[in-house]
Amino acid sequence: KAGVTQTPRYLIKTRGQQVTLSCSPISGHRSVSWYQQTPGQGLQFLFEYFSETQRNKGNFPGRFSGRQFSNSRSEMNVSTLELGDSALYLCASSLDRGGSPLHFGNGTRLTVT
Amino acid sequence: SQQGEEDPQALSIQEGENATMNCSYKTSINNLQWYRQNSGRGLVHLILIRSNEREKHSGRLRVTLDTSKKSSSLLITASRAADTASYFCATDSGGSNYKLTFGKGTLLTVNP
Repeated sequence: KAGVTQTPRYLIKTRGQQVTLSCSPISGHRSVSWYQQTPGQGLQFLFEYFSETQRNKGNFPGRFSGRQFSNSRSEMNVSTLELGDSALYLCASSLDRGGSPLHFGNGTRLTVT
Repeated sequence: SQQGEEDPQALSIQEGENATMNCSYKTSINNLQWYRQNSGRGLVHLILIRSNEREKHSGRLRVTLDTSKKSSSLLITASRAADTASYFCATDSGGSNYKLTFGKGTLLTVNP
């Protein structure tokens, strides 16, 4: 089975722009979670989608949003980018909710200048 | 905010030695998982231990869980240079608002 695929791998944007990141989960996995990883804050939970519905959301401003499509693929969007949004954004899929191991992609490295 | 806190933050050992990393958490959990991350890449799931389990083994990995002390440990035996990575514990509390909360990790360096 193919693993979790995240595109693009690297992205450079300027402040004020918006960005969309894409995640294709492992085939058959219905849950997709997004995490932001920075050296200072570590891994921070952004949100989780299951069956096209957002099930849980972390403590991030409304500029961070996401969605899940009927084929379980997910996108996250960040609007009005700030310098502090520079991070590694990780997507993870799992078979279902509640205790299944997460399978991570290699992330999208976003740099905001 | 972090639920799990790993200790030590960094660990450097020689190949063949054992490596022990600890994780403490604050609130009751349903499951605790350990993940490994090689530099700049995604996390890889290592092992899951449920709150009613005390010890689990997987190859060279041994995980213990002490819910009374709200702590877990990950032991890697006979370490190899390829084990060099950051190791994270992650906890969940179950329920409808299910999410995994990660600690800040232990950076393990295994010197050849």
